[in-house]
Amino acid sequence: DVKVTQSSRYLVKRTGEKVFLECVQDMDHENMFWYRQDPGLGLRLIYFSYDVKMKEKGDIPEGYSVSREKKERFSLILESASTNQTSMYLCASSRTFQETQYFGPGTRLLVL
Amino acid sequence: DQQVKQNSPSLSVQEGRISILNCDYTNSMFDYFLWYKKYPAEGPTFLISISSIKDKNEDGRFTVFLNKSAKHLSLHIVPSQPGDSAVYFCAARVNSGGYQKVTFGTGTKLQVIP
Repeated sequence: DVKVTQSSRYLVKRTGEKVFLECVQDMDHENMFWYRQDPGLGLRLIYFSYDVKMKEKGDIPEGYSVSREKKERFSLILESASTNQTSMYLCASSRTFQETQYFGPGTRLLVL
Repeated sequence: DQQVKQNSPSLSVQEGRISILNCDYTNSMFDYFLWYKKYPAEGPTFLISISSIKDKNEDGRFTVFLNKSAKHLSLHIVPSQPGDSAVYFCAARVNSGGYQKVTFGTGTKLQVIP
């Protein structure tokens, strides 16, 4: 079974803090993705990566950056957290772009 | 600009009856469509998919129908069971800049009443 794990289920941070969200997959997948889920807006793609050290912007990259130093790990970084980044963050991975994405359980982030 | 829309935020159905979840899209270049199911406190899981060259795909109690001319797809669940209560996301895939990009809809929360 594919397993995608996220470092925290719940996180509370203050405005202006630097926030790291970690994601690890154990199936040697090439592609990894970061989404945020908000009521009425569904899942929106923030960034994705198709290889180590490679990244591409998704639909809403502003205020975020990512890092992929190892194939199994994809980090989402909020350089200076703001209240409008309060959301559920979901990581996903897939072997190829044509194949199904497998999601982690999500991290619910609250920025105060 | 929401390219994939699920106009019903919620749906309630009696156990044993049919659940029909709808999805509309605007981009005619989408070539593959997927449905994901999400329980609270869990990530979405893949449910069923359909290629744009087909109009129907069936997997057990789940059937997806695609009407390309109307840019509409639907997920039918027959018979509905209480364990089907979840949020369902429609998604559509397109070639974009050398990658296959997946766009998700806003989700429909299905409640199956015992």
